[in-house]
Amino acid sequence: DAGVIQSPRHEVTEMGQEVTLRCKPISGHDYLFWYRQTMMRGLELLIYFNNNVPIDDSGMPEDRFSAKMPNASFSTLKIQPSEPRDSAVYFCASSLGANTQYFGPGTRLTVL
Amino acid sequence: SQQGEEDPQALSIQEGENATMNCSYKTSINNLQWYRQNSGRGLVHLILIRSNEREKHSGRLRVTLDTSKKSSSLLITASRAADTASYFCATDRGGGADGLTFGKGTHLIIQP
Repeated sequence: DAGVIQSPRHEVTEMGQEVTLRCKPISGHDYLFWYRQTMMRGLELLIYFNNNVPIDDSGMPEDRFSAKMPNASFSTLKIQPSEPRDSAVYFCASSLGANTQYFGPGTRLTVL
Repeated sequence: SQQGEEDPQALSIQEGENATMNCSYKTSINNLQWYRQNSGRGLVHLILIRSNEREKHSGRLRVTLDTSKKSSSLLITASRAADTASYFCATDRGGGADGLTFGKGTHLIIQP
């Protein structure tokens, strides 16, 4: 079975540009989570969905960040405009029920 | 706020030795999980222990949970070079909220 798929794996962009990160969860999972990992702050939960509905976005740092889940097999995390401090590894994870989470390989974002 | 805090931050041992990592948390939990992250990869779930359990085993892994002290330990026996990774404890966020709160991890290095 395919695990959680994320694209792109690496993204380098310039400050002010729009960035879109994509995630395909494991088929049948009803929860999807977006995390950000940095050396300074560790792993932070940004937002999560249950049955495609955003439940808690309190971790989204600011209005520049937005996330959507138009269907059960696809989610996006968008940053517009991007800033250098957004540089991090962004992980998507999915789960059946809200316990064990399965992580994707992550997207390493560098904003110059 | 950080829920789980791992200790030590880094640990280097010889292959074949046992490795013990600790995690402390602040608020009541329903369960606690341990994850492993290899360099440049996503997190992989290792084991989940529920709040009414005190000890759990999985292969070479042994996890303990002391809810009175709000702490957990992960023991890896007979360590191998392939165990080199970062290990994170994660707790549910409580209050009915889904998602996990991760500590900053213990970086384990197994010297061959």
